[in-house]
Amino acid sequence: DTAVSQTPKYLVTQMGNDKSIKCEQNLGHDTMYWYKQDSKKFLKIMFSYNNKELIINETVPNRFSPKSPDKAHLNLHINSLELGDSAVYFCASSPWSGVYGYTFGSGTRLTVV
Amino acid sequence: RKEVEQDPGPFNVPEGATVAFNCTYSNSASQSFFWYRQDCRKEPKLLMSVYSSGNEDGRFTAQLNRASQYISLLIRDSKLSDSATYLCVVTGNQFYFGTGTSLTVIP
Repeated sequence: DTAVSQTPKYLVTQMGNDKSIKCEQNLGHDTMYWYKQDSKKFLKIMFSYNNKELIINETVPNRFSPKSPDKAHLNLHINSLELGDSAVYFCASSPWSGVYGYTFGSGTRLTVV
Repeated sequence: RKEVEQDPGPFNVPEGATVAFNCTYSNSASQSFFWYRQDCRKEPKLLMSVYSSGNEDGRFTAQLNRASQYISLLIRDSKLSDSATYLCVVTGNQFYFGTGTSLTVIP
């Protein structure tokens, strides 16, 4: 059973389009995250939700909108995609305190052309 | 100043070698520390937590030096399968990832 699953795995789309990435975890964790890993391999947090409540909202363009319908799901919607949005987006989850580390999904490789 | 700094490498070492990575952090109030491993085109996976007393898992040893604000990872008897990027992680109010250190173990 996949612990943190995100779909799609690959996404190629044109500039200006709107797209969504979905994430689900079956670990019973309270907290979920979206990270962006750019071409330089730097992992940067975008959002964090705890039990459906937004707790971290880093400086991210408002074209990015997360949505958590329940604590097992955290989706990411991106409007008006730009070339610079091309990256790998990782979903992750952890127990509330995070002291036991994160579990990551396998990533969504987004390419904007 | 970045929360976490790592030497990006790359480190190219022969099989059987011992290799060490260091990572420095800026926030003295940081609570938890980890090493993650990321294979090419894969997600990061937890390698080990880092405790003040130091901890060992097989060929891997992690240590924390709070006074100097750095953590280290030592890999003994390197295997080809150890080739990956190693990310240090420091927690404050969120997880802060280093940029990773690339390791290639050469036959």
